[in-house]
Amino acid sequence: AQSVAQPEDQVNVAEGNPLTVKCTYSVSGNPYLFWYVQYPNRGLQFLLKYITGDNLVKGSYGFEAEFNKSQTSFHLKKPSALVSDSALYFCAVRPGNSGNTPLVFGKGTRLSVIA
Amino acid sequence: GAGVSQSPSNKVTEKGKDVELRCDPISGHTALYWYRQSLGQGLEFLIYFQGNSAPDKSGLPSDRFSAERTGGSVSTLTIQRTQQEDSAVYLCASSLGVGSIDLTFGAGSRLTVL
Repeated sequence: AQSVAQPEDQVNVAEGNPLTVKCTYSVSGNPYLFWYVQYPNRGLQFLLKYITGDNLVKGSYGFEAEFNKSQTSFHLKKPSALVSDSALYFCAVRPGNSGNTPLVFGKGTRLSVIA
Repeated sequence: GAGVSQSPSNKVTEKGKDVELRCDPISGHTALYWYRQSLGQGLEFLIYFQGNSAPDKSGLPSDRFSAERTGGSVSTLTIQRTQQEDSAVYLCASSLGVGSIDLTFGAGSRLTVL
């Protein structure tokens, strides 16, 4: 069975500094990996995904993530954080080529960007 | 519709009462998922519908939980004899269907059981 670990419940970063939100996963075969963001009282919004190809994936709002197969990680990054990036971030995984197997999500990491 | 619509947005109920939560997916999306978001627990998969196929109920936590999808569109999640531990945000998502991996989520229904 697949699983996702987000080791940090909370990440604090100063505005303008780079940010990293960590994610590691466990899945059989090749993974499909996702990051979603949740703003207060809103549903989850898709940020980016890795399916195949280039290990560095670029997504919405200047975010990017790097797939590292040997470390089974898919950390979310942004070179310069904005206060508006403050939100709850979820990493998710499912086995590749598995039809519509439901995504398995991590517990989420709350990002707080301080002005 | 333009997005996934869920109702009610907030529901407060007393322990032991039944509740129904509704999800209206994006028009044309044949796959529909229910997840539960509890404080500190992340998103927990509950149930998945794909077209007219039998639903994947493997995530339902107890037999008090059930869901149906009428006409391949609107879905209702029913919780019978609610307990305080059922308090959570219930999220619905839809996608185009088999082979589509992009989910669109609704804003959720926040359930509080007193």
